[in-house]
Amino acid sequence: AQSVTQPDIHITVSEGASLELRCNYSYGATPYLFWYVQSPGQGLQLLLKYFSGDTLVQGIKGFEAEFKRSQSSFNLRKPSVHWSDAAEYFCAVGVTGGGNKLTFGTGTQLKVEL
Amino acid sequence: GAVVSQHPSRVICKSGTSVKIECRSLDFQATTMFWYRQFPKKSLMLMATSNEGSKATYEQGVEKDKFLINHASLTLSTLTVTSAHPEDSSFYICSAREPGASYGYTFGSGTRLTVV
Repeated sequence: AQSVTQPDIHITVSEGASLELRCNYSYGATPYLFWYVQSPGQGLQLLLKYFSGDTLVQGIKGFEAEFKRSQSSFNLRKPSVHWSDAAEYFCAVGVTGGGNKLTFGTGTQLKVEL
Repeated sequence: GAVVSQHPSRVICKSGTSVKIECRSLDFQATTMFWYRQFPKKSLMLMATSNEGSKATYEQGVEKDKFLINHASLTLSTLTVTSAHPEDSSFYICSAREPGASYGYTFGSGTRLTVV
């Protein structure tokens, strides 16, 4: 079965600094990969997704992620963080024939210092 | 874009009572909806897949008699927590699969259930 690991539970960055959130997956083939953001008490908003093709994926709000097959990773990046980016970020994986179900990582809580 | 409305956003109920949570796709028809449970500081745990016009498919370990799911129309799925107990207190989130999209999901804003 597929799994997702987000090694960092909490990350704090200064506003304007760059950001990288790590995500590693376990699956025998190429999975479908997603990054979602969740504000407190809210549902999830899709930031970006990777299905195939170009391994560098651009998303909303200035986020991007790069799929690295050799490292089984799909790290999320942003060159300059804004205070409004403070939230919980979830990496998720879906697999072919998996009933269209997503498996989520445990999340990374991002705090932005002004 | 696709919008999913989840209601109520917060509910407090007494132990032993039942609570119904609604998940509506407002501007699209969703043949498949998903129900998740999220514990504090934890990830989302898929509880069940709700398919319009048929029985829900529950994940292993989820009590189907306790968490009743009904997907009676293409725009509405409901989750009823029966005989609620304090350990059922959690954040419940639904998502709806967008038409023609294998992995296109829109999430509701969630329901905070507190059982006292």
